[in-house]
Amino acid sequence: GQQLNQSPQSMFIQEGEDVSMNCTSSSIFNTWLWYKQDPGEGPVLLIALYKAGELTSNGRLTAQFGITRKDSFLNISASIPSDVGIYFCAGLTFTGNQFYFGTGTSLTVIP
Amino acid sequence: GEEVAQTPKHLVRGEGQKAKLYCAPIKGHSYVFWYQQVLKNEFKFLISFQNENVFDETGMPKERFSAKCLPNSPCSLEIQATKLEDSAVYFCASSRLQGRSNQPQHFGDGTRLSIL
Repeated sequence: GQQLNQSPQSMFIQEGEDVSMNCTSSSIFNTWLWYKQDPGEGPVLLIALYKAGELTSNGRLTAQFGITRKDSFLNISASIPSDVGIYFCAGLTFTGNQFYFGTGTSLTVIP
Repeated sequence: GEEVAQTPKHLVRGEGQKAKLYCAPIKGHSYVFWYQQVLKNEFKFLISFQNENVFDETGMPKERFSAKCLPNSPCSLEIQATKLEDSAVYFCASSRLQGRSNQPQHFGDGTRLSIL
C-alpha cells in the first residue's frame, strides 16, 4: 500500500506554543484529511483539503495542501491542554478507492 | 443517526472463538469502511462497501475475515477462529456518495477486541 510519512512522531510542548506537523507521500494525492484521536475514541475530522495550495483554517488549526500534491501540513496555534491527542493525516490518490493513513503524531501539551 | 455507532465497545474472546462486530453508518452515507488499529497506531484498511456491495476488499485476510452490509441492518465484520494477533481496535467509518470516494470519512469509537 501507499506509504505516508508523518512527522514528528511525538511532540512535547508548553501550553501557548505553536505546533507544526507534516505528512509526505511518494504519490500524488487529490485529497488530504487531518484527524485527531483521543484515547479510547475514534478519529475526529479536523480539516479536509481538496486543491493543491489550498489553505484552510478551523479555529486555531490551519492545514495546507502542498503545491506538489505530495505533502500536507497542520499547524496549531497557541496550544491548550485539550489539544493533547494523536493527529493523523490521510490521503487519497487520483486512482485510489481508499484513504491511506499516516502513522500519527502524538502531541503532549504541558500546562 | 448523526454518528457512526459501533457495538460492542469491548469484546473478549478465547483464541479459536468467533468474534462479530457491528457498525451503523451515519444516515444518508453510502460508503462504509472497516479498519484495524494495532499498537503502533497504524490504521490498516480491511474492506469498504458502497451500500450493500463490496467496493474494495484488498485489505481483507480472506481466510477468517468476512463482512456484510445488508439493507436495514447494521454492517458487520466477523472473524472466525480468532488468533492472538487479531487483538486490536476495529474502526468503522462512513462517508457520503459523491463522485469518486473522496468524501471525508467519519469514524465510530471503535470496538476493542481482545483475544485471550
